[in-house]
Amino acid sequence: GAGVSQSPSNKVTEKGKDVELRCDPISGHTALYWYRQSLGQGLEFLIYFQGNSAPDKSGLPSDRFSAERTGGSVSTLTIQRTQQEDSAVYLCASSPDRAETQYFGPGTRLLVL
Amino acid sequence: QQQVKQSPQSLIVQKGGISIINCAYENTAFDYFPWYQQFPGKGPALLIAIRPDVSEKKEGRFTISFNKSAKQFSLHIMDSQPGDSATYFCAASIGGSQGNLIFGKGTKLSVKP
Repeated sequence: GAGVSQSPSNKVTEKGKDVELRCDPISGHTALYWYRQSLGQGLEFLIYFQGNSAPDKSGLPSDRFSAERTGGSVSTLTIQRTQQEDSAVYLCASSPDRAETQYFGPGTRLLVL
Repeated sequence: QQQVKQSPQSLIVQKGGISIINCAYENTAFDYFPWYQQFPGKGPALLIAIRPDVSEKKEGRFTISFNKSAKQFSLHIMDSQPGDSATYFCAASIGGSQGNLIFGKGTKLSVKP
């Protein structure tokens, strides 16, 4: 079946603009995660959804970042008033349940000019 | 405080050689230790994973060795091939309660023909 998909694959925006990044998890996967990968760095956890609720938002770097998930499926990560330091690859992963065997999407490469 | 420390940052191995990547963790509550492989422009893909109740797990040319008392685990790639050239990430999680993976910073492996 289809894997995790993310859109757009690339996004260039101007500083101060808002951006929305979309993640379509594998069908039936109840857990969904967002990570951020900066150049040359490891993956930084942002937020975890179980169904439509987010029991762990501890990784969101500031209140400019928010995420939602609807219908236990699609998730949107929103970054308001983007800053240059927000430039990174934003990765989404899903798993059948909880933390194990996370399947990653290809990521959205965000560049803030 | 970095909870999962990975070394080396980069590794060059000749074709046919053994690639060894090491990780150390601090939180004794971690109970799931996966390794992910990432090719340029792609999301990470699960390679192999281990739980702390076993000391070694082998899948084809890939082996995880786990030392619970030392809080260390390593990835061994036997008969390394140019196609193995990628970035490898170790990770750890507490399966269930927290739901997110803590990643090492990655090792860029280059296998020379």
